Amino acid sequence: AQKVTQAQTEISVVEKEDVTLDCVYETRDTTYYLFWYKQPPSGELVFLIRRNSFDEQNEISGRYSWNFQKSTSSFNFTITASQVVDSAVYFCALSGLRAGGTSYGKLTFGQGTILTVHP
Amino acid sequence: DTEVTQTPKHLVMGMTNKKSLKCEQHMGHRAMYWYKQKAKKPPELMFVYSYEKLSINESVPSRFSPECPNSSLLNLHLHALQPEDSALYLCASSQALANYGYTFGSGTRLTVV
Repeated sequence: AQKVTQAQTEISVVEKEDVTLDCVYETRDTTYYLFWYKQPPSGELVFLIRRNSFDEQNEISGRYSWNFQKSTSSFNFTITASQVVDSAVYFCALSGLRAGGTSYGKLTFGQGTILTVHP
Repeated sequence: DTEVTQTPKHLVMGMTNKKSLKCEQHMGHRAMYWYKQKAKKPPELMFVYSYEKLSINESVPSRFSPECPNSSLLNLHLHALQPEDSALYLCASSQALANYGYTFGSGTRLTVV
């Protein structure tokens, strides 16, 4: 079985503050993908990033950056200079890559972190 | 076309009704998924189809019946639902079952009365 834990239920910041969303995962698979999704109030899940278990390079995309540390099974997400439009629920998710593995084809989500950015 | 389209966007049904949710994609994806999301909870996997065949059923009650008539279309047939089945139903697709990237639809908000 696989598990994703997002310990922060809710985070509230003021615009322009930096904020980090934590994600810790458990899996028996040796190969897997990690994801971050954003869910605004309208409901759709917006894909932000995918990282495979072989690639521990950090990634930056504009104001977004991700820190993947396999040694601590963490995949944290930082928003720099937050904006009101960043307010949403953010989900970290995990999916196994190995055919025949118990998590193959299954996207397991963390509980989500509600981020509110105040003007 | 890089979208997954779900219809209807909202649905209210009685416990004795039969209704269907529809999901369509034209990206050539060969894996399609149904997820259920209760309020303030993460999405939970229900069904997975790969090449139009049911690949995964996460022990979903039989009052939910999936169907994949072709590679672009995924239906979820609903019958004799309970109020606790009220939720956001999300459809997703991926290029293949090997997780190249999931594209989600905007969901159907279902209310069972």
